[in-house]
Amino acid sequence: GENVEQHPSTLSVQEGDSAVIKCTYSDSASNYFPWYKQELGKRPQLIIDIRSNVGEKKDQRIAVTLNKTAKHFSLHITETQPEDSAVYFCAASKGFQTLVFGTGTRLLVSP
Amino acid sequence: ETGVTQTPRHLVMGMTNKKSLKCEQHLGHNAMYWYKQSAKKPLELMFVYNFKEQTENNSVPSRFSPECPNSSHLFLHLHTLQPEDSALYLCASSQDLGGTGSTEAFFGQGTRLTVV
Repeated sequence: GENVEQHPSTLSVQEGDSAVIKCTYSDSASNYFPWYKQELGKRPQLIIDIRSNVGEKKDQRIAVTLNKTAKHFSLHITETQPEDSAVYFCAASKGFQTLVFGTGTRLLVSP
Repeated sequence: ETGVTQTPRHLVMGMTNKKSLKCEQHLGHNAMYWYKQSAKKPLELMFVYNFKEQTENNSVPSRFSPECPNSSHLFLHLHTLQPEDSALYLCASSQDLGGTGSTEAFFGQGTRLTVV
């Protein structure tokens, strides 16, 4: 089955800096790669996703890149703000059958 | 509110009890999931149902028993649990798009389970 690895497990940055979280996946058939943000005490919520026919996607301060050959994808957050502090999860899927998550990255943005 | 509702929000049960977690989605999705979230293994996939058929088990202990009576409802029946089963149990749903993948998964608020 699919295996998703995520690094780093914790990331501390100063407000205004950029943050990068990286994930690798094992199943070359995976074609959907979402990123979720989970704030303390709340449910995970989708922030951005990318499909295997696209190499990069941006949404304001958030961007995701995908390298299918190397089987890795990354989340980039620019101009970080304290409200970006949360746990971020990457995931890989090949349809409904699997939606496997990485182990999460705790991002702390200090004012 | 994401359209996925879980009850109860909190549950404390003894190791000899039998209880059930309920999940309901009003999004018209055809796939539903149970995840276990603990400090040791965040977002661990337990079960997947598509069109009411179970398609993923992930070697979950038999003390956890899922039930999906229709595409909108999902249950997790619990019996003779262990203290290490204490965790946040999250339900999610998505729409399977066949060969093109699936849509975003929407999560419920979760049930915080404590086994004493």
